[in-house]
Amino acid sequence: DAKTTQPPSMDCAEGRAANLPCNHSTISGNEYVYWYRQIHSQGPQYIIHGLKNNETNEMASLIITEDRKSSTLILPHATLRDTAVYYCIVSPNAGNMLTFGGGTRLMVKP
Amino acid sequence: ETGVTQSPTHLIKTRGQQVTLRCSSQSGHNTVSWYQQALGQGPQFIFQYYREEENGRGNFPPRFSGLQFPNYSSELNVNALELDDSALYLCASSLNKRRGNEQFFGPGTRLTVL
Repeated sequence: DAKTTQPPSMDCAEGRAANLPCNHSTISGNEYVYWYRQIHSQGPQYIIHGLKNNETNEMASLIITEDRKSSTLILPHATLRDTAVYYCIVSPNAGNMLTFGGGTRLMVKP
Repeated sequence: ETGVTQSPTHLIKTRGQQVTLRCSSQSGHNTVSWYQQALGQGPQFIFQYYREEENGRGNFPPRFSGLQFPNYSSELNVNALELDDSALYLCASSLNKRRGNEQFFGPGTRLTVL
């Protein structure tokens, strides 16, 4: 599986946009980019996924660069409840057997 | 709430014992995956079951085994428990689509091996 690199931690002010970067320079053409988050003591929660085009849903937006070597997850108006570990995952098998890395610990502050 | 339930919530065992963890999938989902999450680390894929057959396996020894039942619920069995097996065990259910599968995770079972 393609490896991903994420900053270990980030801070964001409540109400501001949180932009979480992810590098996946060895991604293959058929691999999707998935984002999950894990709030303390809970199971991971699916956020969004994409292949080539930018994607948006009720939770977040996913921006994938044209060369697909990096992506950014955007939480448009972060709240305290968005404090969590965010995992960027590249999956060659339709997202069923996920390889989690260390993730980014996002702290949203008042 | 994802509709995926796991039991028990917590479990304490001693080294050498055997343990069975259970997972009920979200309604309509035919695929179950199991993950192990050690403290401070990301989840690690153990194996996946699709329509009662093992469909993929991560780097875990044979003493980790599983079952999926006709109603798509699942069990994870671990034999000869070791101290390093102490972890949060997560199950996730999904549809086995050809692409873009969203996995729904349960709350996990916290296993402590003494």
